[in-house]
Amino acid sequence: GAGVSQSPSNKVTEKGKDVELRCDPISGHTALYWYRQSLGQGLEFLIYFQGNSAPDKSGLPSDRFSAERTGGSVSTLTIQRTQQEDSAVYLCASSWRRGENEQFFGPGTRLTVL
Amino acid sequence: KNQVEQSPQSLIILEGKNCTLQCNYTVSPFSNLRWYKQDTGRGPVSLTIMTFSENTKSNGRYTATLDADTKQSSLHITASQLSDSASYICVVSSNQAGTALIFGKGTTLSVSS
Repeated sequence: GAGVSQSPSNKVTEKGKDVELRCDPISGHTALYWYRQSLGQGLEFLIYFQGNSAPDKSGLPSDRFSAERTGGSVSTLTIQRTQQEDSAVYLCASSWRRGENEQFFGPGTRLTVL
Repeated sequence: KNQVEQSPQSLIILEGKNCTLQCNYTVSPFSNLRWYKQDTGRGPVSLTIMTFSENTKSNGRYTATLDADTKQSSLHITASQLSDSASYICVVSSNQAGTALIFGKGTTLSVSS
């Protein structure tokens, strides 16, 4: 079946602009995660959605970052007033539920802020 | 502080040779440990998962070991192939609420002919 898909695959934007990154999880997966992978760094947890529960936003680095998950499926990560340090690969993953279950990752969106 | 440290940072080996990647963690409490393979430009793909009671687990030419007492894990790759060139990421799951998984920075493996 189809895996996790993300769009766009690459995004180049100017400093100060807003960007939206999209994630389509595997159908039926209730858990959805966003991660950031900066050059030479490990994956950094950003936000987690589980079903209809309130999202775990503990990893969001600033209030410029927000995410939504509509209808328990597609998710959008929004970065407002982008800064150069936001440049990274943003990965989305989904799983049946949190923690114990394997997370299936999408290919990521490479964001470059000029 | 929960941390996952991997070594070496990078490794170059000849095709057909074996290699071992290391992962040390300080995560507590401990739920499970996974090794992921991440090809360039792709998302990570799970290779193995081990719980506290498991010492070794194999997936083809990949064999992972876990010593929960010393909080160390290794990933052994046998008879390496060019397609093994990738980043290998060690991930530890904690039972604590909050961040779901703690990721290592990965080891970049290059297999040359």
